[in-house]
Amino acid sequence: ETGVTQTPRHLVMGMTNKKSLKCEQHLGHNAMYWYKQSAKKPLELMFVYSLEERVENNSVPSRFSPECPNSSHLFLHLHTLQPEDSALYLCASSQVPGQRASGAEAFFGQGTRLTVV
Amino acid sequence: GQSLEQPSEVTAVEGAIVQINCTYQTSGFYGLSWYQQHDGGAPTFLSYNALDGLEETGRFSSFLSRSDSYGYLLLQELQMKDSASYFCAGLEDDKIIFGKGTRLHILP
Repeated sequence: ETGVTQTPRHLVMGMTNKKSLKCEQHLGHNAMYWYKQSAKKPLELMFVYSLEERVENNSVPSRFSPECPNSSHLFLHLHTLQPEDSALYLCASSQVPGQRASGAEAFFGQGTRLTVV
Repeated sequence: GQSLEQPSEVTAVEGAIVQINCTYQTSGFYGLSWYQQHDGGAPTFLSYNALDGLEETGRFSSFLSRSDSYGYLLLQELQMKDSASYFCAGLEDDKIIFGKGTRLHILP
């Protein structure tokens, strides 16, 4: 149990579907992240929310839309995805990294394995 | 922005010692972290170096030299369960940026 819960764990969706990934953390952290991990590729930072404000978009296609209603919850809304979007989507949380005393320890959820057909 | 470079694969023998290097380029830098990820699992935090020097946690140690923009993770007394991918991560402003990961293969 890492304190970060992602649902669903697996998702298969068609290219015309709309779905949402959910992430919840109970660690009292104030920064949350979405990462994409494709096969044989590095962890790609997609979005960062720090103190509930988005601070990084990272040129992610608009078919991915994040939402952070509060410091404990993070969503990734998906629509009209492409097969190349199939990957493991990881959510993580931490204290705001700029607060150096807390270090750089990020806690990850188990991820959502997304397959776009 | 940051970029972190590490070898894609390393192979070592059970019981031996292995070092995984990481070099970074960054316009702003607060520290270097290391994470472990087993196949099918989530990355888990191993260590963090904010200052130069060696940090030891059991069989794992991490080193940072800010003047050389270089760090490494040292794994001692390797066990088969240490077979995993290891990521260095740089801390910059509000972002944690990961290297591409090093796949560690352990031979019996």
